[in-house]
Amino acid sequence: DAKTTQPNSMESNEEEPVHLPCNHSTISGTDYIHWYRQLPSQGPEYVIHGLTSNVNNRMASLAIAEDRKSSTLILHRATLRDAAVYYCILRNAGGTSYGKLTFGQGTILTVHP
Amino acid sequence: GAVVSQHPSRVICKSGTSVKIECRSLDFQATTMFWYRQFPKQSLMLMATSNEGSKATYEQGVEKDKFLINHASLTLSTLTVTSAHPEDSSFYICSASEGSGGKTQYFGPGTRLLVL
Repeated sequence: DAKTTQPNSMESNEEEPVHLPCNHSTISGTDYIHWYRQLPSQGPEYVIHGLTSNVNNRMASLAIAEDRKSSTLILHRATLRDAAVYYCILRNAGGTSYGKLTFGQGTILTVHP
Repeated sequence: GAVVSQHPSRVICKSGTSVKIECRSLDFQATTMFWYRQFPKQSLMLMATSNEGSKATYEQGVEKDKFLINHASLTLSTLTVTSAHPEDSSFYICSASEGSGGKTQYFGPGTRLLVL
C-alpha cells in the first residue's frame, strides 16, 4: 500500500486558517487521496477526497500538487471543534483491495481559543 | 453524508464469553463493510473486509475463527468476538461503502469492548 507522511502534531489559533500537509511520494495513478478526522472515542469522520484536481466542500479544501506527490488539507477558519487527529490516506480504486484504508498515525491538531 | 450506526456503543463482558457487534448503514446500501480495531493512543488497524453474500477477507494476523464476520444483507454486518479475553478489550469500529475502489467509506461511532 502506498504510504503517507504527516507531521505528528500542529497547533492553530481559533478562527485562523490551518494547512495540514501530507506527503505521498509513492502514489499511483489509481490512488485517491482521502482525509478523515477523528475525535476522542469516536469513529473517524470523512472530510474530503480528491484524485487530481483541488476540491472544496463545506468542511475544508484539498489542494493537490501537480505531481500528486503531496497534498494539503485546508481548514479556512479553525474552531475548537476542529481539534482532532487528521488522517491522510491513499485509497486504491483498482485491483482487489476493495478500496481498503490503511491508517497512519495522523496529525494531532490542537486549536487554541 | 451517509450514516453508519453501531450497536452496542459499549459492552462489558466476562472472559470466555462471546460478544456480537452490529454495524448498519442507515441510508445507503453497503456493498462492502470494513472492521477496524483501535487500541488506546494508537491508530486504527483494519481487521477484515466483508462483502455482502461472501466470506470476509481477513488481514494478516487476525484470527478468522475468533473474529466471526457476517455480512448477510446490504445494510448489516456483524462482528462476533468469540471466547473474549482481556487482551481483546479495544475500540471496534466499522465502516461501510457503497462500492469498492474510490468510493468513500463512512464510519460508525465505534463500540468500546471491555473484557474482565
